[in-house]
Amino acid sequence: EVQLVESGGGLVQPGGSLRLSCAASGFTFRNYWMTWVRQAPGKGLEWVASIKPDGSEKHYVGSVKGRFILSRDNAENSLYLQMDSLRVEDTAMYYCASDLNHSPYWGQGTLVTVFS
Amino acid sequence: QSALTQPASVSGSPGQSITISCTGTSSDVGSYNFVSWYQQHPGKAPKVLIYEGSKRPSGVSNRFSGSKSGNTASLAISGLQAEDEADYYCCSYVTGDTWVFGGGTKLTVL
Repeated sequence: EVQLVESGGGLVQPGGSLRLSCAASGFTFRNYWMTWVRQAPGKGLEWVASIKPDGSEKHYVGSVKGRFILSRDNAENSLYLQMDSLRVEDTAMYYCASDLNHSPYWGQGTLVTVFS
Repeated sequence: QSALTQPASVSGSPGQSITISCTGTSSDVGSYNFVSWYQQHPGKAPKVLIYEGSKRPSGVSNRFSGSKSGNTASLAISGLQAEDEADYYCCSYVTGDTWVFGGGTKLTVL
């Protein structure tokens, strides 16, 4: 059974940092693109960032470029999102997802709250 | 990139059929067969209904179906049930290895 379990969310002040993790199991993690999607309270889904299976390519939505860094550890079946210079508008539930194109699986999310 | 365009709301009575549209551009929906659809109940994580435009994951009811014409993808739900009341989102691959979501559609079962 495919499982994606996010962790690392929490409360942080503007300008602060958080590191999100996503632990994957039940599939060959190293073969798939991985993605973070977020959803602000009461709003729709927003694609945040994706990383190639071997980690050699990463793509980000414009609003997080230069502030968020996506990485993966294929030996540990884990995906990470380092979030720096956090803003109030980054407040959202952050979901980890695999293989959006071919056979998507999503985690249950981890909540990030940036408060002033 | 701009969000895909979905109607803000649709409604139907139990047993009826409805369709939710998702309009993009030639850089996303129109060029790739990588449209997925998600159902989200309040307070829950999104659930995959459709991927690769028209494929259903194991366990998803065949009352849900996906299709595409030009730059517009569609999700059809037949035999509406009360539990179908939820928010629905489309998602498409975009040239350059990025993805874009629709703004979401709230389905009300009357």
